[in-house]
Amino acid sequence: AQSVAQPEDQVNVAEGNPLTVKCTYSVSGNPYLFWYVQYPNRGLQFLLKYITGDNLVKGSYGFEAEFNKSQTSFHLKKPSALVSDSALYFCAVRVNRGNTPLVFGKGTRLSVIA
Amino acid sequence: GAVVSQHPSWVICKSGTSVKIECRSLDFQATTMFWYRQFPKQSLMLMATSNEGSKATYEQGVEKDKFLINHASLTLSTLTVTSAHPEDSSFYICSARDPGTQMNTEAFFGQGTRLTVV
Repeated sequence: AQSVAQPEDQVNVAEGNPLTVKCTYSVSGNPYLFWYVQYPNRGLQFLLKYITGDNLVKGSYGFEAEFNKSQTSFHLKKPSALVSDSALYFCAVRVNRGNTPLVFGKGTRLSVIA
Repeated sequence: GAVVSQHPSWVICKSGTSVKIECRSLDFQATTMFWYRQFPKQSLMLMATSNEGSKATYEQGVEKDKFLINHASLTLSTLTVTSAHPEDSSFYICSARDPGTQMNTEAFFGQGTRLTVV
């Protein structure tokens, strides 16, 4: 069975500073990994994904994530945080076969302070 | 990217009544859609997989008679919460992936439905 761990419930960062939101995963086989962002009372917006190829993936709004197979991690990063980045971030995984659903981490709330 | 539309965005209903939530794929056909439930400050929990033209597959612990899922067409899946109770109050989100593209594409989500049972 697949699982995702986001060890931090809350991450606080000052505007302009780099941010990291952590994610580790467990899956049988090769994973497809995703990051989504959720604003209050809204659905999830896709940020980026890792399927294969380069371990560093770049996505929307200046976010990027690094796939580390040995550490089974897929941490989300941004070089310079904005106040508007404040939201709830979800890491998700699915196996690379069939039309299987995503399995989500519990989410990490990011607060960027001006 | 592909668009998934969910309606209504929010609904308030009385205990004992039923509520229907619609999930539509606007620019692609989805043979499979997924329904999630999200409690406050918690993650998304998969409730069921909706399959066009066949019965939905429910996750363990989800009452199929309470959460009726119908996927009558390739662009529409509905979730009906029957005989709603206050503990059914939650945020419900649907998602779908465009099967016409490769299997490694991301899923797209509806905007969610906030259900409040009073």
